[in-house]
Amino acid sequence: SAVISQKPSRDICQRGTSLTIQCQVDSQVTMMFWYRQQPGQSLTLIATANQGSEATYESGFVIDKFPISRPNLTFSTLTVSNMSPEDSSIYLCSVGGQLTKNIQYFGAGTRLSVL
Amino acid sequence: GENVEQHPSTLSVQEGDSAVIKCTYSDSASNYFPWYKQELGKGPQLIIDIRSNVGEKKDQRIAVTLNKTAKHFSLHITETQPEDSAVYFCAANAGGTSYGKLTFGQGTILTVHP
Repeated sequence: SAVISQKPSRDICQRGTSLTIQCQVDSQVTMMFWYRQQPGQSLTLIATANQGSEATYESGFVIDKFPISRPNLTFSTLTVSNMSPEDSSIYLCSVGGQLTKNIQYFGAGTRLSVL
Repeated sequence: GENVEQHPSTLSVQEGDSAVIKCTYSDSASNYFPWYKQELGKGPQLIIDIRSNVGEKKDQRIAVTLNKTAKHFSLHITETQPEDSAVYFCAANAGGTSYGKLTFGQGTILTVHP
């Protein structure tokens, strides 16, 4: 399995500001994903973070709002830009690919509250 | 795209009873079906998974069954314990892709009463 460290674990932010969430994994992985989990809801994929190229965004999510970086095979960041209270959610990083036999492992998540 | 429906949304059982959670999926190309357990304040943890080349998989008190023809799969927990109380999510890989992009069900809140 992969060990995933996600920072910060929680934050309270003012509307209009931006927050960058970091995801670090203890081994090189092919795939890294970012999910959003709204209060009491299921997980929704925001984007796939591609190493060395732009992230692939799902319908309803755009790069200007959720810019993603993936500088190497063990690290990725997700920025939540120009936040509003509707962005209050848990943001989760997950990893997968050949080395994990395509099993997807999740970090503990970042609990974001926007005032 | 893939759509995963999960039932029931809440499930309450007595300790020692069995619990069953069911999911259906829409994409016949999906071939990987994991189940995750999420405890309060934590990220989802994989508890069992099944691939489309088998019909059943068991790990101690937990089992998963898959019916490809009907496009549904189920999680079975026997001899439930209070520590099994959590939210359970089923998922399916979209389009049969091997790289792990998952579509999740809506979740089931399982409560096991001592």
